[in-house]
Amino acid sequence: KAGVTQTPRYLIKTRGQQVTLSCSPISGHRSVSWYQQTPGQGLQFLFEYFSETQRNKGNFPGRFSGRQFSNSRSEMNVSTLELGDSALYLCASSLGLGGTGELFFGEGSRLTVL
Amino acid sequence: DQQVKQNSPSLSVQEGRISILNCDYTNSMFDYFLWYKKYPAEGPTFLISISSIKDKNEDGRFTVFLNKSAKHLSLHIVPSQPGDSAVYFCAASLGRGLNYGGSQGNLIFGKGTKLSVKP
Repeated sequence: KAGVTQTPRYLIKTRGQQVTLSCSPISGHRSVSWYQQTPGQGLQFLFEYFSETQRNKGNFPGRFSGRQFSNSRSEMNVSTLELGDSALYLCASSLGLGGTGELFFGEGSRLTVL
Repeated sequence: DQQVKQNSPSLSVQEGRISILNCDYTNSMFDYFLWYKKYPAEGPTFLISISSIKDKNEDGRFTVFLNKSAKHLSLHIVPSQPGDSAVYFCAASLGRGLNYGGSQGNLIFGKGTKLSVKP
């Protein structure tokens, strides 16, 4: 079955702009989580969505937001981009309830802010 | 304050030998631990996990050991192969338990250890 799909894979923005990233989870998975990966900080949890509701949020400013649609697809948005937002943004899906709980990651969207 | 620490940024091992990757954590409430492997330009892939009620879990060449009193876990790869060369992340979870009613998406990751297996 198809894995987690993230689009776009690469993008370049300038400071002050906003960006929207998309994630399609594995079919049947209802939980989608987002992570930011940077060389200095490793993987840091942004937020998790389940059944269109945000269940958990990491320690990121309000410029980072997300949503989940009824088909479990998710988007995350970053407004007023800063240079420090340059990172690999990873989406992960899981069943959400039951199952073994492992997260399945997409290949990521690499954002460069100039 | 890092709750999950991987103190060795890199590790080099000869093919056929054992690779031991270590991970320490500070929060005694963590109840589920996972290891992920990441190749360049790919997302992390799940490797093996262990619940806090166990002290060992084995899957083929991969074994994870959990020492709750020391708040330490380790991943053993035997025998190591060149294809194992990757960055390995340790992750921990709160509230997952056996009922999976809690949040599953919030994993706290270490910063990773880059394993190089030399032929």
